[in-house]
Amino acid sequence: GAVVSQHPSWVICKSGTSVKIECRSLDFQATTMFWYRQFPKQSLMLMATSNEGSKATYEQGVEKDKFLINHASLTLSTLTVTSAHPEDSSFYICSARGGTPPREQFFGPGTRLTVL
Amino acid sequence: AQSVTQLGSHVSVSEGALVLLRCNYSSSVPPYLFWYVQYPNQGLQLLLKYTSAATLVKGINGFEAEFKKSETSFHLTKPSAHMSDAAEYFCAVSASQGGSEKLVFGKGTKLTVNP
Repeated sequence: GAVVSQHPSWVICKSGTSVKIECRSLDFQATTMFWYRQFPKQSLMLMATSNEGSKATYEQGVEKDKFLINHASLTLSTLTVTSAHPEDSSFYICSARGGTPPREQFFGPGTRLTVL
Repeated sequence: AQSVTQLGSHVSVSEGALVLLRCNYSSSVPPYLFWYVQYPNQGLQLLLKYTSAATLVKGINGFEAEFKKSETSFHLTKPSAHMSDAAEYFCAVSASQGGSEKLVFGKGTKLTVNP
């Protein structure tokens, strides 16, 4: 199956700093990538959908200026958490979807963000 | 709008026993349904998916699920649990085939397998 990677796998940062998380599709071109957030012992909540070369579509309640998403190429999307605060601590998971059928979502291994 | 309800946040079985994880869905259009497994601190792995072909779907690791429209259910089963099956399981629904639209996840069921 298709492989999606995320980097870093975990990150600890100080409150007020910005953190960038990368999501890469390693063996296919991802026309669409999805970013999810997962709180401890809870389900995945879709944050935004990004299509290559266009602006991301954010879900209701997600702050666009706080969670910056860039999908500049068919193999890379980035999520930047700006001015991070402890409440942003979470597990962030991306998924990638190709443009040819079957257009299944393939998930990355996730990034654990801890904001001190 | 679509939604998924997973009955039972925790299920505990003995090794070798039947595994049954329940999932009910709500969808205004014909649904596409998925089961994913998540091991601690990892992403999601697709177990199986229903895309309007056969109602009984077989997946990886011996899991299978049956789509029952009349009951709006898509329960996940495995005849004999193995210790390695201990994980979190998520049911998800999508409005289109292959999950090309947004996936809506249930809250998950944590499976514990006792020796």
